[in-house]
Amino acid sequence: NAGVTQTPKFQVLKTGQSMTLQCAQDMNHEYMSWYRQDPGMGLRLIHYSVGAGITDQGEVPNGYNVSRSTTEDFPLRLLSAAPSQTSVYFCASRYRASNTEAFFGQGTRLTVV
Amino acid sequence: AQSVTQLGSHVSVSEGALVLLRCNYSSSVPPYLFWYVQYPNQGLQLLLKYTTGATLVKGINGFEAEFKKSETSFHLTKPSAHMSDAAEYFCAVSPAGGNQGGKLIFGQGTELSVKP
Repeated sequence: NAGVTQTPKFQVLKTGQSMTLQCAQDMNHEYMSWYRQDPGMGLRLIHYSVGAGITDQGEVPNGYNVSRSTTEDFPLRLLSAAPSQTSVYFCASRYRASNTEAFFGQGTRLTVV
Repeated sequence: AQSVTQLGSHVSVSEGALVLLRCNYSSSVPPYLFWYVQYPNQGLQLLLKYTTGATLVKGINGFEAEFKKSETSFHLTKPSAHMSDAAEYFCAVSPAGGNQGGKLIFGQGTELSVKP
């Protein structure tokens, strides 16, 4: 099993560009989430999904879009990149139960110049 | 709204000394509690979790944590630090019950340094 796979690992964008961060999991998990990690702020939830076709906003959704057409994939789209979106992004998945472990990808380090 | 507070953004200990990383949560209903570890340039890995039952839980690499409902705390300890324990540690809560969408709410993180 590959677990949770994120691509790319590193990305540099110019202000105003758009891009999609990919996330795929092969564990048949219903729950998937995107977080951003910034120094001193822990991980903050951007968007999450409880299953194919169902998404919702987290704590910091502005500037990001998601969709979930399959159980396996949960891409995160940056619509018009801004320097404030420079961060490390993590995708996570877990079974449909709040007492279960979340599995994380290796992260995408994004720099917006 | 639920929140998690980790006291101390940086903790430094000597090799062989006790490690104590503090975590407090705010919630009207006791949530499920987790500790994750993040080594440099890697994703997060589960250290241990508390869901129900025994309040002292043991995890990987010799770590353990005790859930204290009266203190709304879930502090992480290890009797003897090793150089390989140097990493960032995150406490997280998952709201119990209802359809919470699998959300995890994280603390700010504590960076642990281990001196030789």
